[in-house]
This record gives sequence, C-alpha cells and structure tokens, in this order.
Amino acid sequence: EAGVVQSPRYKIIEKKQPVAFWCNPISGHNTLYWYLQNLGQGPELLIRYENEEAVDDSQLPKDRFSAERLKGVDSTLKIQPAELGDSAVYLCASSLGDRDSGELFFGEGSRLTVL
Amino acid sequence: AQSVTQPDIHITVSEGASLELRCNYSYGATPYLFWYVQSPGQGLQLLLKYFSGDTLVQGIKGFEAEFKRSQSSFNLRKPSVHWSDAAEYFCAVNTGGFKTIFGAGTRLFVKA
Repeated sequence: EAGVVQSPRYKIIEKKQPVAFWCNPISGHNTLYWYLQNLGQGPELLIRYENEEAVDDSQLPKDRFSAERLKGVDSTLKIQPAELGDSAVYLCASSLGDRDSGELFFGEGSRLTVL
Repeated sequence: AQSVTQPDIHITVSEGASLELRCNYSYGATPYLFWYVQSPGQGLQLLLKYFSGDTLVQGIKGFEAEFKRSQSSFNLRKPSVHWSDAAEYFCAVNTGGFKTIFGAGTRLFVKA
C-alpha cells in the first residue's frame, strides 16, 4: 500500500514569490491534515479536511495561505507571497477518520527555504 | 489548554544501553497517547499508542511506553538502543475531535 506522497520534497524561493505543495493521501483516508514543522519543534496543525470540507482551519494564516482538496482526495497548500519566516517543513498526513484510532500517517514533508 | 511537554531537548546514549524518553501532558481526562519517530528528512512514523486498558504498551522496533495517570506521563523506553534508533522522537496526545497536539521532540544521539 502506498503511503502519503508529497511533492516537492525541497523548494527554495525568494521572498514574495508564490509556492505550492501537493499531497496525495493514503487511498481510503477521508481525513487529511497539513502541518507546519519549524526547526526543532513538533508539528503544528494548519488545516484539517474531512473529505473535501475544511473542518478546522483556525490556525491557517489566511492572509497568505490557502488550501484546497478538490474531489476529497489530493490536496494543495499554497503560500502567496512567501515570507522569510515561512521557511519550514510542511507535512501532510492522513487518517481513516475513525475517532477511536487517532493514528496519523505522514508524508516525508516538503522543506521550504525562503531567501 | 492541553499541552505536551518533553523535558529533554536531546539525549545521548551509548549503543546497547537502555533508553527512557520523558513525556508529560496536561489534560483534564485521559487522552489518547502516541509516540512518533522522525528520522532525518523523513515524515513521522507511529511507534506505539495508548487508548485504554493495560498501561504498558508495546510498539515497533522494540519500544514500549508506560502510561501513569497519577503523573500524567507517558514515557518511552527501550532496553537496548541500536545506532539506527538515532532520530527525533515526538510524544503526542489526542483529546478527541481529531485534535492531536505534539511535543517539541527529543533528539536521540547514539554513540558507539
């Protein structure tokens, strides 16, 4: 079974440029998460999807960040314009959506460097 | 507010020695508890989880963790560390509603 796939793995851009990250969750996983991981920190939730609906986006900086999950499968996270402080790893995770499980399956992450 | 504390930013152990990584949480009830491991350049992988029942849980790669309600702790242990265990370890709690909170992580260094 394929795991969570993310691309690109690495991205270097100049500040004020746009960037987009893509995530393909595990087949059958209804719940999709985007997490931000700063250096030396644990992941912090940006947004959670149940199928195609964003059910928790309270931590997403909506002035420059946007996300979508068309058709309830793949998802894209966009930053426009990027700032120096956005340099971090962006992790995508998925889960079955079963409340009793709680296990998250993570992709390898997309490391963003903003110059 | 719920929180997870991993008091040790980094730990160094000799190969073959035992390991204990500490985790404390703040929550009014018993949450779901997890330990994840992250190797350099990789995503997080679940080591083990506790939902209820036996307070000593076994995980992959020879790890175990013990839930202690009185101490609000969920410490991770391994009797004999291998060089391949060098990684970052994250304790996490799920308080329901799909809300998972991660600790800041403990980086494990293994010396020969």
